[in-house]
Amino acid sequence: DSGVTQTPKHLITATGQRVTLRCSPRSGDLSVYWYQQSLDQGLQFLIQYYNGEERAKGNILERFSAQQFPDLHSELNLSSLELGDSALYFCASSVGEGKGQPQHFGDGTRLSIL
Amino acid sequence: GQNIDQPTEMTATEGAIVQINCTYQTSGFNGLFWYQQHAGEAPTFLSYNVLDGLEEKGRFSSFLSRSKGYSYLLLKELQMKDSASYLCAVREGNAGKSTFGDGTTLTVKP
Repeated sequence: DSGVTQTPKHLITATGQRVTLRCSPRSGDLSVYWYQQSLDQGLQFLIQYYNGEERAKGNILERFSAQQFPDLHSELNLSSLELGDSALYFCASSVGEGKGQPQHFGDGTRLSIL
Repeated sequence: GQNIDQPTEMTATEGAIVQINCTYQTSGFNGLFWYQQHAGEAPTFLSYNVLDGLEEKGRFSSFLSRSKGYSYLLLKELQMKDSASYLCAVREGNAGKSTFGDGTTLTVKP
């Protein structure tokens, strides 16, 4: 158990819909990262928040947005969903901004778009 | 941006040693991580290198050469449970952004 909690574990929805994925980092970790992992691609970095502030951005679509709240939990919002958004979405956390610190991953949310 | 290359698949025998290579190109290298990921599960941290040389952790070792843009993960005394995907991830810049390779699927056979 990494200590990172993601909900829900599974999500099934239709094209055009909007969903929110939630992540609670390990106790004491200030950074939260979001990744997308689909079958035909590896782990793709989406975005990092550190202590409530956006810290680094990857290949995150404009239809996707995220935030980190004062209690350090984070939410990833996906809107106008397309079939290609079906993937496993991982959240990870680390103690600081990431220098030399491993990221601890949650079990992921499996999103299926019908 | 970054390019990270790893072999797609490798097969080895239980009890043997296997070396998984990773080459990368980056403009702002600031550390390299190795993760293990079993199918359908979360990646778990194995090792971290930021300086040249070998880091050893039990049955797992990782090596880095920054001048060559090269790393390897060495797994000794292979066990069946080591069958998994091994991900090389390169950290760029001062934030935590890490770019992951596509992973090497290792199959350990009896």
